Amino acid sequence: DIQMTQSPSSLSASVGDRVTITCRASQNISSYLNWYQQKPGKAPNVLIYAASSLQTGVPSRFSGSGSGTEFTLTISSLQPEDFATYYCQQSYSTPFTFGPGTKVDIK
Amino acid sequence: QVQLVQSGAEVKKPGASVKISCKASGYTFTSYYVHWVRQAPGQGLEWMGISNASGGSTSYAQKFQGRVTMTRDTSTSTVYMELSSLTSEDTAVYYCAREAPRGSYSDYWGQGTLVSVSS
Repeated sequence: DIQMTQSPSSLSASVGDRVTITCRASQNISSYLNWYQQKPGKAPNVLIYAASSLQTGVPSRFSGSGSGTEFTLTISSLQPEDFATYYCQQSYSTPFTFGPGTKVDIK
Repeated sequence: QVQLVQSGAEVKKPGASVKISCKASGYTFTSYYVHWVRQAPGQGLEWMGISNASGGSTSYAQKFQGRVTMTRDTSTSTVYMELSSLTSEDTAVYYCAREAPRGSYSDYWGQGTLVSVSS
């Protein structure tokens, strides 16, 4: 199975901050990397798919980059509604493993 | 609009089985795969498997092989996930999610079904 890691595991930030989350895969997954946002008690919501494609309806302050084994999710200007947990997921091969998550909370 | 509506919360005893339903609407049911993902309390997301709503083929995570069965009923646009030999470690919220047409990611999710396993 492909192992996914994320860093940091949590971060505190202020509204307006630029936030970057890193995701690493244990082997080359090309661009088969997705990012999800999850708020407490809710189902996850896809933000980015195929490493850098913005899902329809997702604000443009979210962006993704990377390929191979290292990927980043960037929030250019953090908004109050962005405080949540973020997960990466590889969809290169089954099982489609998730990273452990990065919790973004208010500083 | 696309909707996935899951069955309600379940309480089971260790050793029992649970079968969760996920009723799809708002799209052509047989044109999409459905994933199952679970989340233990306070923990991260865990991918369990995928079901082809058209042909019924499935692929399960090795961890659940032999204990999980994913099926579908095209007449009611419903997919099912059955997990057997439950232990307390299976206590979690279980989600179904549609695979997006453009790639192997999930664009619509059910609301989740809490399964509690306790003696």
